[in-house]
Amino acid sequence: NAGVTQTPKFRVLKTGQSMTLLCAQDMNHEYMYWYRQDPGMGLRLIHYSVGEGTTAKGEVPDGYNVSRLKKQNFLLGLESAAPSQTSVYFCASSYSWGGTGANVLTFGAGSRLTVL
Amino acid sequence: AQRVTQPEKLLSVFKGAPVELKCNYSYSGSPELFWYVQYSRQRLQLLLRHISRESIKGFTADLNKGETSFHLKKPFAQEEDSAMYYCALYVQGAQKLVFGQGTRLTINP
Repeated sequence: NAGVTQTPKFRVLKTGQSMTLLCAQDMNHEYMYWYRQDPGMGLRLIHYSVGEGTTAKGEVPDGYNVSRLKKQNFLLGLESAAPSQTSVYFCASSYSWGGTGANVLTFGAGSRLTVL
Repeated sequence: AQRVTQPEKLLSVFKGAPVELKCNYSYSGSPELFWYVQYSRQRLQLLLRHISRESIKGFTADLNKGETSFHLKKPFAQEEDSAMYYCALYVQGAQKLVFGQGTRLTINP
């Protein structure tokens, strides 16, 4: 049982290049999230999805696009990479959310992106 | 707007000493709060959630609605507690977690 898998783990881009980060989960989770982790800034939500075919903006969506064509996959795209997008990106998923608080986020291992 | 604040970026204590990681939140609804931890070379994982009122690895956290706080405490720190700790708030309706800035805890031998 792989849980949440992110590819690639590392990538170096030049300014203006494009790339896609792939997140795959095998837990049949409805909700999927993309966060970025920066020193002193914590984890900030970029985009998320509450189900197949849906996406929503988080706190820092500019410069990123996402797609959730299949329930198990959540793609994060950078159309024209900028140095400010140098970060560690984390994907996470959750089965559901409820008032009992029984559901939590399962995280991937992270993808370290450097934009020169 | 909902916000989570962890005022300490770095916290260093000696082994065996008590530790408290502070978390304050701003939220108009009924809060549901979590602590996540990231050990070196490991994935972010849930440490505990307030609704379960549980103690995990000796850590506890009590929700104080009057002070809008959810501080994480442990009476006797151990070296293996060294990690990055994040406080998080579940935003109802939006179905998302908002995280604080994180506190890096170092336990000195």
